Amino acid sequence: AQTVTQSQPEMSVQEAETVTLSCTYDTSENNYYLFWYKQPPSRQMILVIRQEAYKQQNATENRFSVNFQKAAKSFSLKISDSQLGDTAMYFCAFMKHGYGGSQGNLIFGKGTKLSVKP
Amino acid sequence: DVKVTQSSRYLVKRTGEKVFLECVQDMDHENMFWYRQDPGLGLRLIYFSYDVKMKEKGDIPEGYSVSREKKERFSLILESASTNQTSMYLCASLLGGLDYGYTFGSGTRLTVV
Repeated sequence: AQTVTQSQPEMSVQEAETVTLSCTYDTSENNYYLFWYKQPPSRQMILVIRQEAYKQQNATENRFSVNFQKAAKSFSLKISDSQLGDTAMYFCAFMKHGYGGSQGNLIFGKGTKLSVKP
Repeated sequence: DVKVTQSSRYLVKRTGEKVFLECVQDMDHENMFWYRQDPGLGLRLIYFSYDVKMKEKGDIPEGYSVSREKKERFSLILESASTNQTSMYLCASLLGGLDYGYTFGSGTRLTVV
């Protein structure tokens, strides 16, 4: 069974600085997807970034980037130039490759609460 | 954009009541999911469905059932609500293909008293 571990329950960062959130996972699969989701106080889960395991290049979305280390089963999220609006819970998640049946299920970590301070 | 709508943002129910949580998506997504979110535990999968009238148990199905009579609607049912089912419930719909990812509803915070 797959597991996702986020070892930092809470983190804080000063506005405009850079912060890295850690995520490790355990799987015997070779093809899969990894995600970072953001949940602000409004509770709406928002997809931040997605990485396909077969791609060696790290995904980037504006100020958000990942460091994907497949051999180490590590998937950290870097937020550059942190903004007050980045304050949220961040969840790392794993999905097996494929579609239909249980292959579409997301497995979540327990989350990291990020606070951006002015 | 795909929209996933959960009918209630907040609900308060009494112990023993039968509770229905409704979720509707406005695209032709096949896969739909119900998660429960608790502090320190993350999101845990209760049930999922990959087609009309199809349902599969997730990691914590005990005390819950689901119904999917139409493709766009996926209902979570608490047959006899208990206080340990007080939680945040999130519904999601899966977009497949190359743009792989979930769309979530805004959640229902259920309190059982």
